[in-house]
Amino acid sequence: DVKVTQSSRYLVKRTGEKVFLECVQDMDHENMFWYRQDPGLGLRLIYFSYDVKMKEKGDIPEGYSVSREKKERFSLILESASTNQTSMYLCASSWTGINQPQHFGDGTRLSIL
Amino acid sequence: DQQVKQNSPSLSVQEGRISILNCDYTNSMFDYFLWYKKYPAEGPTFLISISSIKDKNEDGRFTVFLNKSAKHLSLHIVPSQPGDSAVYFCAATTIGDYKLSFGAGTTVTVRA
Repeated sequence: DVKVTQSSRYLVKRTGEKVFLECVQDMDHENMFWYRQDPGLGLRLIYFSYDVKMKEKGDIPEGYSVSREKKERFSLILESASTNQTSMYLCASSWTGINQPQHFGDGTRLSIL
Repeated sequence: DQQVKQNSPSLSVQEGRISILNCDYTNSMFDYFLWYKKYPAEGPTFLISISSIKDKNEDGRFTVFLNKSAKHLSLHIVPSQPGDSAVYFCAATTIGDYKLSFGAGTTVTVRA
């Protein structure tokens, strides 16, 4: 069974802080994704990675960066946290191949004060 | 600008009856569609999918219908069970693309 683990369920940080959200998957998936989920907006893709050290911007990359140094780990970085980045963050992973479903972690509820 | 829209934020249905969830999309390039189910405090889980070469796909109690000309798809759950109470997200993509575009979700409540 696929396991996608996000390091924190809840996180509270202050405006201007640099914030790291960590995600680890145990299925040797090539692809990893970071989304944020907001009421009325569904899930919006921030960044994704299709291989180690490879990344591509999603729909809302502004204010975020990512790091993928190892295949199983994908980190989302808020360079200078702002209150409008308060949200639920979801990590996902999938195999490469035609339309492989994405497997999600349980999410990190991030509050920026 | 959302390319996938779920216009009903919520749906309440009696146990044993049919639940019908609707989804519309605007991007005519989309040719693969998925439904995800999400319980509180858990991540979404893949439920069922359909490609544009089909107009129906069935998996147990879940059936997805696709109307390409109307750019509309629907998810039918028959019969609805209390464990089906969750948020359902519709998603769309182009075959071979890694990126999914999600709708805002529909919260389904199944009443006993």
